[in-house]
Amino acid sequence: QQQVKQSPQSLIVQKGGIPIINCAYENTAFDYFPWYQQFPGKGPALLIAIRPDVSEKKEGRFTISFNKSAKQFSLHIMDSQPGDSATYFCAVAPDTGRRALTFGSGTRLQVQP
Amino acid sequence: EPEVTQTPSHQVTQMGQEVILRCVPISNHLYFYWYRQILGQKVEFLVSFYNNEISEKSEIFDDQFSVERPDGSNFTLKIRSTKLEDSAMYFCASSEGMGNQPQHFGDGTRLSIL
Repeated sequence: QQQVKQSPQSLIVQKGGIPIINCAYENTAFDYFPWYQQFPGKGPALLIAIRPDVSEKKEGRFTISFNKSAKQFSLHIMDSQPGDSATYFCAVAPDTGRRALTFGSGTRLQVQP
Repeated sequence: EPEVTQTPSHQVTQMGQEVILRCVPISNHLYFYWYRQILGQKVEFLVSFYNNEISEKSEIFDDQFSVERPDGSNFTLKIRSTKLEDSAMYFCASSEGMGNQPQHFGDGTRLSIL
């Protein structure tokens, strides 16, 4: 059972473009939605996270948009740079009591100079 | 900035042998986790640990696996009777407190079973 579906699988944008990565979930008990960035040979690094009481959160060039009714959330990277080339994972976690993150399948982003 | 450290970075083991993967979580963190990532696939939860006991485990975490906090700083994952399909990156993570506090990951141990 796939609890979170992530798309696209891969994405190529030009420098300065705004890649958008989407995730959809099924379980309404989820209430924590982080995005992680992973470079080759490294562990996932937390980029930004949102809870369902807000529809948007921005940290630097990274923005999460959250649509509770549609059970979808997305990551936008403003003014993308070649250094943003990495694999991005969305994740979900239910409310307190269980803290296990369920990850999406990942999106490999390539930002071309 | 404090970080989660994992050793070794790469472990090569013969099938059937036991391995111990080691982690030093961030010092003031109370919750500890192990995840694994098979090459090219998504990160999968194995187990969470709090107050010296397992608080949650996935279907992957069967009797072959065990975790321990042998002292005040280390957190270990033991895999007994390793199988070829245990080959993966194993990530340790830790978080500060209750609720969905951010989980900080180490850079992982690449486990190769021959």
